[in-house]
Amino acid sequence: DAGVIQSPRHEVTEMGQEVTLRCKPISGHDYLFWYRQTMMRGLELLIYFNNNVPIDDSGMPEDRFSAKMPNASFSTLKIQPSEPRDSAVYFCASSLGPGGYTFGSGTRLTVV
Amino acid sequence: DQQVKQNSPSLSVQEGRISILNCDYTNSMFDYFLWYKKYPAEGPTFLISISSIKDKNEDGRFTVFLNKSAKHLSLHIVPSQPGDSAVYFCAAYTDSNYQLIWGAGTKLIIKP
Repeated sequence: DAGVIQSPRHEVTEMGQEVTLRCKPISGHDYLFWYRQTMMRGLELLIYFNNNVPIDDSGMPEDRFSAKMPNASFSTLKIQPSEPRDSAVYFCASSLGPGGYTFGSGTRLTVV
Repeated sequence: DQQVKQNSPSLSVQEGRISILNCDYTNSMFDYFLWYKKYPAEGPTFLISISSIKDKNEDGRFTVFLNKSAKHLSLHIVPSQPGDSAVYFCAAYTDSNYQLIWGAGTKLIIKP
């Protein structure tokens, strides 16, 4: 298995633009998590899905952020419009159950 | 409210010696504790875990100790190797909630 695959690895965009981050979880994993890592806050859980259904989105910072999981093999995290303070590394992770997450390599987002 | 705390931002250890990484928690309801290792530009990778009903779990050079009365756990790495240089995150969760609660991380530097 190729692991959790995220794209793109790096994204540089201008303030106000829409940004879409993508994630392909490990086949068979029924949990998918989106995390954001910043120097100030460390690792923050944004949202997680179980069997493609969003379970807890309380970590999503504001309405500019949205996440979807249309099927078991794909999820997106969208920021519209993007702002410089959204600059961070965004990680996707998947798991069969609690605890043993497998993380992707992350997307480094820079909003200028 | 930081339920999982790693009070040492960094730790420097001589190669071949023991590295001890510490983690404190406040929620006595946590059922599992995990340690993750993170290299720059990569996602965290699972290292070792321990159930709340145990006080020790060992895997090769890595041993995790849990002291429930003190709400404290530690990760021992013996002997420390240059490849162990990374950021180590402590995390915990309850069986009723699959959301991992993360510490802020400790950067371990192994000196040759």
